[in-house]
Amino acid sequence: AQKITQTQPGMFVQEKEAVTLDCTYDTSDPSYGLFWYKQPSSGEMIFLIYQGSYDQQNATEGRYSLNFQKARKSANLVISASQLGDSAMYFCAMRERNTGNQFYFGTGTSLTVIP
Amino acid sequence: DTAVSQTPKYLVTQMGNDKSIKCEQNLGHDTMYWYKQDSKKFLKIMFSYNNKELIINETVPNRFSPKSPDKAHLNLHINSLELGDSAVYFCASSQDPGLNYGYTFGSGTRLTVV
Repeated sequence: AQKITQTQPGMFVQEKEAVTLDCTYDTSDPSYGLFWYKQPSSGEMIFLIYQGSYDQQNATEGRYSLNFQKARKSANLVISASQLGDSAMYFCAMRERNTGNQFYFGTGTSLTVIP
Repeated sequence: DTAVSQTPKYLVTQMGNDKSIKCEQNLGHDTMYWYKQDSKKFLKIMFSYNNKELIINETVPNRFSPKSPDKAHLNLHINSLELGDSAVYFCASSQDPGLNYGYTFGSGTRLTVV
């Protein structure tokens, strides 16, 4: 089974609007961390946000927030007030304690912000 | 100072050649990784080293050999390059243990085999 599933290969959003990128995960480990990375067309991988499995509150970093629904095993990324520079690939990732802290990445979602 | 530096950024080479990609991190992290990103952007782990010891070695042709002379370096050597090796290769590092530590990635090396 896939550890991380991103079902939206491509998304479009109007500039200044909010967008949600979906991510579901599969684990039986009670201790895990969830991450989102951005990969712009220039190619580098940029860390955006982290959510721990025991965190009570949803993580926020500026315009990024993580909608963490533990029972549903989802960790959706919400980008508010989209900007043209948000156009990029977005990867959801998970790190589990019982697999030696190995990372698992989703297949990514390509986001295009329309002016 | 760049936290994780990879060289070269671009590499174009002919089939059958041997090439190396270098990676260095100045973060004091314990674990370093090599990932391959294919044309569909899928990220696949290749190797993971913790304090110079190999801890993950996914199904990768043995033409690929990682070398870690010390904790701060993890180089990737590729023998007898094939067309299918064309991809972007990312080096990354992380602090262990610690689930809240993400990867710090290098800028990637775009390898093109012709």
